[in-house]
Amino acid sequence: QLQVQESGPGLVKPSETLSLTCTVSGGSISGSGYYWGWIRQSPEKGLEWIGSIYSSGSTYYNPSLQSRVTISADMSKNQFSLNLHSVTAADTAVYYCVRVWEYWGQGIVVTVSS
Amino acid sequence: QAGLTQAPSVSTGLRQTATLTCTGNSNNIGNEGAVWLQQHQGHPPKLLSDRNNNRPSGISERFSASRSGNTASLTITGLQPEDEADYYCSAWDGSLRTQVFGGGTKLTVL
Repeated sequence: QLQVQESGPGLVKPSETLSLTCTVSGGSISGSGYYWGWIRQSPEKGLEWIGSIYSSGSTYYNPSLQSRVTISADMSKNQFSLNLHSVTAADTAVYYCVRVWEYWGQGIVVTVSS
Repeated sequence: QAGLTQAPSVSTGLRQTATLTCTGNSNNIGNEGAVWLQQHQGHPPKLLSDRNNNRPSGISERFSASRSGNTASLTITGLQPEDEADYYCSAWDGSLRTQVFGGGTKLTVL
């Protein structure tokens, strides 16, 4: 059974970079023909797609976040990562990694605060 | 950015049938179909139906999805207490080049 799990700091200071990693077990992210993505959820904005990476390495970003987002994959570790730069309080949310759209991580709460 | 439109709440009786709707446009649901997600409080969303209206393995036949034009629907038959949850639709928008979500419908089973 495929599983995905988010990890990273739960607290990030304003203007800094939010960095999260998703570890995939029970399946490979390379050559799988699937999209792997990051979604966030907050009371203010609801569910919001951040971006996705295809198993080939191609990336796709939400245009509203594109200038601040980088998604990358480390095939050797079977992980993919999210970097969100110049964060503000508006980036406070639960962040999920997902194998679009069937397998979701448990989510990680990230708070942006000094 | 524009999202999909869902009723904020729906209440239906135990063992009855609930139909949830999700309205978009020709750039998203009309062209790409929609996925349906169920979310219980404190848990991640769970996929109920993919954009081709297929249920993943393990999802009850009581859940069925369909699409007519720019509107996607999720029908839940024989409502059970555990069906009480938030339900979200989502679709790829080819014009905005982004995945859009509905605001969610809170289903209450009376």
